[in-house]
This record gives sequence, structure tokens and C-alpha cells, in this order.
Amino acid sequence: EVQLAESGGGLVQPGGSLRLSCAVSGITFDSHEMYWVRQAPGKGLEWVSYISSSGSTIYYADSVTGRFTISRDNAKNSLYLQMNSLRVEDTAVYYCARGLIAAWGLDVWGQGTTVTVFS
Amino acid sequence: QSALTQPASVSGSPGQSITISCAGTSSDVGYNYVSWYQQHPGKAPKLMIYDVNNRPSGVSNRFSGSKSGNTASLTISGLQAEDEADYYCSSYTSSSTLVLFGGGTKLTVL
Repeated sequence: EVQLAESGGGLVQPGGSLRLSCAVSGITFDSHEMYWVRQAPGKGLEWVSYISSSGSTIYYADSVTGRFTISRDNAKNSLYLQMNSLRVEDTAVYYCARGLIAAWGLDVWGQGTTVTVFS
Repeated sequence: QSALTQPASVSGSPGQSITISCAGTSSDVGYNYVSWYQQHPGKAPKLMIYDVNNRPSGVSNRFSGSKSGNTASLTISGLQAEDEADYYCSSYTSSSTLVLFGGGTKLTVL
């Protein structure tokens, strides 16, 4: 069974850093584009970042550009999100998700990891 | 860039059909790259429709997608109690942002 498992969330003060990880099992990880999507408490889904299957193409939401860095290690079947200069408004559940091949949609999602930035 | 526009809430009775709209522009929904997600409270989103009108394996055929111009729609027929959830549309955008989500629609099954 395809599984995505996020880890690395926690409590941090404004200006702090966290590194989220997403371990992928049950699939050939290096064939798929990967995404990070977050959801603030009581709010809707917000796309955070995208990385191509090879890691050569990366996009960020304007709200995190310059502060967050997405990366992947295809040898370890893992996706990462380095989050620096964290703000209170970054508080959210962070999901990693797999992109369909040659189609628009995120077909497998992790259970999410919670990031809380408190002052 | 602004999120795609969805109604905040819709409701229907069991057995009825409902439609949720997702309004965008020619720079996003105007492309045929629209997907829909269902999210129950405390759960991860689930892909229901991809590429405007395609259902992943295992998704009920009561769920269907369509698009007219820059507005996409999700229709759920034969409403069931378990359909009560939040629904989000998502689209590719030609801006540097790449991905947009709608604000979400809460479906209540009366």
C-alpha cells in the first residue's frame, strides 16, 4: 500500500526553524512530483511548495518564498521542507502529497504534521 | 494570487443532487487542470476528480466534474450522509504560483 508519513512538526517561537520530513513507501518515489500543502486551524487548504520528480524544478507560494526550502532524496524515498524565519501565520497542519503522473491531481496524502508557531 | 472562488456552503437532502462551483480565470481554471478534494473533519484530503472530469479508481460514480469557460463544477448525485464534508477545488495557474486552491465548500446533508 502507498503510504506517506510526515514528521518533524512541533512548537517553535517566531523566527525559529523546523525541518519537516515525508517518508514514502509502497511506490517508486522518483517517478512522481511531490507537494507540500498546509491547513491553518479552521481554514482551507493552502499550497506551499512543489518539486519535480528529479528535483530540478521547484515552486513556492509567495507567502513562504525566501523562507522555506523544499528538497527530496530519491535514494531515501523522502521529501523535506526546511522552514526558517517562522511566523505565527505559518501555524498549520502540513501535508505532503504525491502528484499524479501526466495528470493534474494529488492522489496520495500523508496524515499531516502540526506546526505551531507561538509568541 | 487570489484563491479560486467557491460557495462557502451548500446543502441537500439524501438522494438529491448538488453542484459546487469553482470560479477562476483564463490563467487557471481556463486550463483543463482542475481537481477536486473531499475532506472529512480531522482527516487528510482525498482526491475525487482530476483533470476536470476524471475519477480515480475507487471513487464512486456519483461524483462527476465538469467545466464551462473559467468555472469548474463538482456534482454529487444521490447524496448520502457520508458525503457530508468539506470540498476543495484546485487548479494549475500560469502565474509563478503554480497551484491554487479554492476556499472550500462545506456540504451539509440534511
